Amino acid sequence: GAGVSQSPSNKVTEKGKDVELRCDPISGHTALYWYRQSLGQGLEFLIYFQGNSAPDKSGLPSDRFSAERTGGSVSTLTIQRTQQEDSAVYLCASSLDPHQETQYFGPGTRLLVL
Amino acid sequence: AQTVTQSQPEMSVQEAETVTLSCTYDTSESDYYLFWYKQPPSRQMILVIRQEAYKQQNATENRFSVNFQKAAKSFSLKISDSQLGDAAMYFCAYRSHRMNYGGSQGNLIFGKGTKLSVKP
Repeated sequence: GAGVSQSPSNKVTEKGKDVELRCDPISGHTALYWYRQSLGQGLEFLIYFQGNSAPDKSGLPSDRFSAERTGGSVSTLTIQRTQQEDSAVYLCASSLDPHQETQYFGPGTRLLVL
Repeated sequence: AQTVTQSQPEMSVQEAETVTLSCTYDTSESDYYLFWYKQPPSRQMILVIRQEAYKQQNATENRFSVNFQKAAKSFSLKISDSQLGDAAMYFCAYRSHRMNYGGSQGNLIFGKGTKLSVKP
C-alpha cells in the first residue's frame, strides 16, 4: 500500500510541554524503527518494535522519551517536558520483518522547541 | 561498536558528469549490509542502493553503482550522468546481518552525510 506516513509534519512547542509524534508504517510491516536527525548528532537510532514484542529502547536518550505501538501497527513517540536540545527531525522507518534488510522511511516530523 | 564515516561534508558535480561519494566503516563482523540513502529537501529518506557484504559483485542501480572493498572497509557511491534531481544529502548506512548481535536489532548506523550539489 502507501508508504510510511508521519504526523504532524512540523511541530513547534514551548520548552516543558509534552509532544506526541505519530508513525503509520507500511501495511503488513512488522518491524518499526524511530530515528532522530539533529544537526549536531546526525541520525541516531531511538527505539525498535517488532510485532507485539517488548520494544528495544536502548537508543532512547532519556526517560523523558517513550514510545508505544498499538496493535502492531501505528506507533507514537512521546517526549515529555521537552527541552531545546530535543529539536530535531524524528524519522520513522518500517520493514517487512526484522530480517529484511531494507527499511522504508517516512517524511519525518520536524520538532522545534522554543 | 560499528561506526560509519563520510569524510566529505559537501561535494559538487557538473550536470552529466560523474561523481563519487566516499564512505568507510568499522566493524568486526563478517556479514552485514551496506546502504546509500538519499535525502532531498523534502526530508524523505530514499534508498538508492544496497550491498550484501557476502557478495563480491558490486551493486548497480541504473546510474548508481558502488565500489565495495570489504578488506578496506570502504563503500563508495558513484553517480554517473548526474542530473539536477540528484542534488540531495547522501547517507551511507550499515546494518548488522545478525539480529541481537552486540545489542543490534537491525537498526541502521548512519554516517554524517554528504551534501551533493549539481550545477547546470
